[in-house]
Amino acid sequence: DSGVTQTPKHLITATGQRVTLRCSPRSGDLSVYWYQQSLDQGLQFLIQYYNGEERAKGNILERFSAQQFPDLHSELNLSSLELGDSALYFCASSPQRAAPTGELFFGEGSRLTVL
Amino acid sequence: KNEVEQSPQNLTAQEGEFITINCSYSVGISALHWLQQHPGGGIVSLFMLSSGKKKHGRLIATINIQEKHSSLHITASHPRDSAVYICAVEAYSNYQLIWGAGTKLIIKP
Repeated sequence: DSGVTQTPKHLITATGQRVTLRCSPRSGDLSVYWYQQSLDQGLQFLIQYYNGEERAKGNILERFSAQQFPDLHSELNLSSLELGDSALYFCASSPQRAAPTGELFFGEGSRLTVL
Repeated sequence: KNEVEQSPQNLTAQEGEFITINCSYSVGISALHWLQQHPGGGIVSLFMLSSGKKKHGRLIATINIQEKHSSLHITASHPRDSAVYICAVEAYSNYQLIWGAGTKLIIKP
């Protein structure tokens, strides 16, 4: 158990819909990272938050947004869903500020299927 | 050319064999991570290296900063080692992780 909790584990929805994925980081970790892993693809970095503020942005679509709340949990919002958004979405946490120069702890992922 | 290259892409071996997975990168890095992704999808961080060598149980990771190369070794491999092994480097310029494509390892009993 990494200590990072992601919900829901599985989600099936239709094109055009909006979903919210939730991540609770390890206790004490201030950084949260979101990654997307499409079928048979590598991990694509989406966005990082540190202590409530956006720290870095990767290949995140404009249809996607995220935030980190005062209690440090984070939500990834995916809207106007397309078939190609079907993927595993991972959240990872780290105690570090500017970089994951330390061990990363991954949640089990949220598997999104868009039909 | 990808900034992080892993080889081999796929590896099948017999139980007990010594396994080596390689990772080469082309950017300046502050650290290199090896991670394991289980067939069910979960990802576990195995090592974080900035120099030298680290060992944890049957796993050994080495890095040569000058040659921009790292290896992950598994001694006395076991079917439960079957997973995808991923190398990721922290780019020195912006500290973001650049991910390799992964090596799919299958250990047959």
